[in-house]
Amino acid sequence: DIQMTQSPSSLSASVGDRIIITCRASQTISVYLNWYRQKPGKAPELLIYTASTLQHGVPSRFSGSGSGTDFTLTISSLRPEDFATYFCQQTYSIPLTFGGGTRVEIK
Amino acid sequence: EVQVLESGGGLEQPGGSLRLSCTASGFTFSDYAMTWVRQAPGKGLEWVAGISGSGDSTYYADSVKGRFTISRDNSKNTVFLQMNNLRVEDTAVYYCAKGWVVIERALGGFDYWGQGTLVTVSS
Repeated sequence: DIQMTQSPSSLSASVGDRIIITCRASQTISVYLNWYRQKPGKAPELLIYTASTLQHGVPSRFSGSGSGTDFTLTISSLRPEDFATYFCQQTYSIPLTFGGGTRVEIK
Repeated sequence: EVQVLESGGGLEQPGGSLRLSCTASGFTFSDYAMTWVRQAPGKGLEWVAGISGSGDSTYYADSVKGRFTISRDNSKNTVFLQMNNLRVEDTAVYYCAKGWVVIERALGGFDYWGQGTLVTVSS
C-alpha cells in the first residue's frame, strides 16, 4: 500500500497568512494526488486534483504543485473559512489512501 | 445541481449487518465511479470501497475485504454498501462520494460528497 505522510500535522496561523502543507508518498504516484479541505462537522471538499488543477469554484488563493513523491498545497492568504483540516489523497493505486491530515488553527 | 444523499446508518452489535444506500442526482450516474469513505470519531479519512460506473469492477480496502460488498443500481442512481460481520472498529461516519471515470489512475478526485451517515458498532 502507498503511505501518504502529511506535514505538519497541525499549524497555527492568522488571517492573511500564507501557508504551505506538504504531502509525501511512500512511492512514486506521478500526479495522481488530490487535496481536500474538511470543515468541522462537514464532508470534505475537493480543492485540487492531479496535483495542481484547481477544482471548479475553488478560490485562486489555493494552489498545488509537485509530482512523483513530493507535493505541496499552498494557501496564499488565509481566510476565516480556511481554518479547517486538509487531507491529501493518492489515486495512483488501490487501495486509495489519504494522508493523516493537517489541522490549520487560528493563532 | 449535483446531490448525494446517504442513508441506512445506525447502531448495530458486533457481528451484525447493515446496508447503506446512497442516491445521487444531477449527473449521468452510470458514467462515473462511486466510492465510500469513512471517518472514525476524531480520526482521519479512510477509503473503504469503490465501484466502476458500469458496476463491473469493485475495489476494497484490506480492512473490509470479505466483509463489505459495494454494488450499484444504475436504473435508480443508487450505490449500496452491504456491511457484514461488523466490528467495533467499523464505527465511523460513512460518506458516499462521486468519483472520476475510473477508480485507479483517476485523473480527478471525489468532487461531490454526501453529508455522511453514522454507523455505530457496539454491544
